[in-house]
Amino acid sequence: KAGVTQTPRYLIKTRGQQVTLSCSPISGHRSVSWYQQTPGQGLQFLFEYFSETQRNKGNFPGRFSGRQFSNSRSEMNVSTLELGDSALYLCASSLGTGVTDTQYFGPGTRLTVL
Amino acid sequence: QKEVEQNSGPLSVPEGAIASLNCTYSDRGSQSFFWYRQYSGKSPELIMFIYSNGDKEDGRFTAQLNKASQYVSLLIRDSQPSDSATYLCAVRPGGYNKLIFGAGTRLAVHP
Repeated sequence: KAGVTQTPRYLIKTRGQQVTLSCSPISGHRSVSWYQQTPGQGLQFLFEYFSETQRNKGNFPGRFSGRQFSNSRSEMNVSTLELGDSALYLCASSLGTGVTDTQYFGPGTRLTVL
Repeated sequence: QKEVEQNSGPLSVPEGAIASLNCTYSDRGSQSFFWYRQYSGKSPELIMFIYSNGDKEDGRFTAQLNKASQYVSLLIRDSQPSDSATYLCAVRPGGYNKLIFGAGTRLAVHP
């Protein structure tokens, strides 16, 4: 079974631009979560989607948004990019939202903001 | 106090030894606990998950959970140089499908 895929793998943007990242979960997985990883802050939860609904949101500004489609694929968008948004953005999928449902990570999108 | 705490390391062990990685968490309502391994430049890879008190073994890995002490650990037996990586402890808070990660412990296994 194919794993979580993320596109693009690398992105270079300039301050003020916006960016859209895409995530395709493992087949059959319906929950998609997004995380940001930086050297200073580590891995931080951004938001989680299940059945096209955002169910949980982390402590990030409104410039970070996302959505999920009916086929469980998800996108996240960052508007008005800042230098501090440079990070590895990771998508994780799980079968559902139960206590024992485990999250599997994609390879990530490395975003560099100049 | 951070929600999930780990020693940053590096933890250096000789090949063949047991590596012991520790993690404490602050939310008593946390329901499940995960260990991920992350090689430099790669994404986290799930190693173990545990949600009941006690030990859970999978090959060379053993996860231990003590909810009363709010403590999770990972033991790696017969450590190999290929185990050298950062090990991330993740906790799922009660009622939420999200993971709170510790800062990770860097493990170095030397021949």
